[in-house]
Amino acid sequence: DAKTTQPNSMESNEEEPVHLPCNHSTISGTDYIHWYRQLPSQGPEYVIHGLTSNVNNRMASLAIAEDRKSSTLILHRATLRDAAVYYCILSDTGNQFYFGTGTSLTVIP
Amino acid sequence: SAVISQKPSRDICQRGTSLTIQCQVDSQVTMMFWYRQQPGQSLTLIATANQGSEATYESGFVIDKFPISRPNLTFSTLTVSNMSPEDSSIYLCSFPGTAPYNEQFFGPGTRLTVL
Repeated sequence: DAKTTQPNSMESNEEEPVHLPCNHSTISGTDYIHWYRQLPSQGPEYVIHGLTSNVNNRMASLAIAEDRKSSTLILHRATLRDAAVYYCILSDTGNQFYFGTGTSLTVIP
Repeated sequence: SAVISQKPSRDICQRGTSLTIQCQVDSQVTMMFWYRQQPGQSLTLIATANQGSEATYESGFVIDKFPISRPNLTFSTLTVSNMSPEDSSIYLCSFPGTAPYNEQFFGPGTRLTVL
């Protein structure tokens, strides 16, 4: 049921920007794109979501391709506290979330 | 935003027994979800629980194994029945936020180990 594809792992140096890609080629017109992250021993937490336009919030930016078949989560300055598994999820009006494998982000001091 | 909690936070159980996991939200929510996260894996949706109706289970999950109760709009339970070591996982509950965004708020999870 997972409708997204992400790299299994990525590394970033501390205080550098990180671009986490996600492919969702089967996205439908009503699907929202959500990004969540899961810190060790915690439940997933909301990062950002979008539909068609790029989005910014205090945590991150979300860049959505014009055809909506891919998106990129941008952490502008990675910190050690950003080390987590990042999940890209599509949700429709049914509310259910089907998680993909996610990307494990390692931040190098 | 609403606070969501789970009990117990962790447990170690014997094969063949059952464990009931509680999920409490501090505000009324219509829909709640239960997920399983096996060791080193992503989250898998088990079922959707609406107050006043039977839970809807995803493929591969059955009510006899994972009975769910939803007695009111702030509470739900998931029972893991007749446990085996393969049931060792983290079990999480969640609820959706405001439509149409449908973001979800997750509980901290219950870490279950079956011996």
